[in-house]
Amino acid sequence: QSVLTQPPSVSGAPGQRVTISCTGSSSNIGAGYDVHWYQQLPGTAPKLLIYGNTNRPSGVPDRFSGSKSGTSASLAITGLQAEDEADYYCQSYDSSLSALVVFGGGTKLTVL
Amino acid sequence: EVQQVQSGAEVKKPGESLKISCKGSGYSFTSYWIGWVRQMPGKGLEWMGIIYPGDSDTRYSPSFQGQVTISADKSIGIVYLQWSSLKASDTAMYYCARLFPYGDLSYYFDYWGQGTLVTVSS
Repeated sequence: QSVLTQPPSVSGAPGQRVTISCTGSSSNIGAGYDVHWYQQLPGTAPKLLIYGNTNRPSGVPDRFSGSKSGTSASLAITGLQAEDEADYYCQSYDSSLSALVVFGGGTKLTVL
Repeated sequence: EVQQVQSGAEVKKPGESLKISCKGSGYSFTSYWIGWVRQMPGKGLEWMGIIYPGDSDTRYSPSFQGQVTISADKSIGIVYLQWSSLKASDTAMYYCARLFPYGDLSYYFDYWGQGTLVTVSS
């Protein structure tokens, strides 16, 4: 059971906008700790997608954006493309676990 | 170019020991934490622990404390993950990654290794 909760799956048609939520608590996201996002394409290692809640590393398209409010964070993908089909994970810090790293359970994005 | 290069796939029997490696290059190896992440077949990412190669300070996830050992040899720029007695449930892909300090208690993994598949089967 992950301390950060994500929907197991989301889907959307090419060109559409989808969002993936990451719900935490007062000991992680709600305490103000940053949220980071990773994309894992099939058969590959995870890749950093968003850091510090809203920032994109060099090379990540601006179709990907992150936000945070209260005890939750969200990843939005606009102009959905077939190549976006992947698993997405959020990550933060949790004070109750004294864990520098906690991951969400992951969300499988299917492009219809 | 920053890289984390991991050792190759392993097939072991239950009860055997194993040590896999992760070599960092293209940056100051002793100045960044390196973490290990487990991904069981068809499952999500699980943080196992981290090590600071500069002084070998190590932190474990409570779920993995006592189950594995993380170590580093800073002279050759390598971090290790080892088991003394493997179980079938250790079958998984294991990733190493560099942990970047973004802010106060804010870290993210910016460079990942390619993964090492460990299969434990009798």
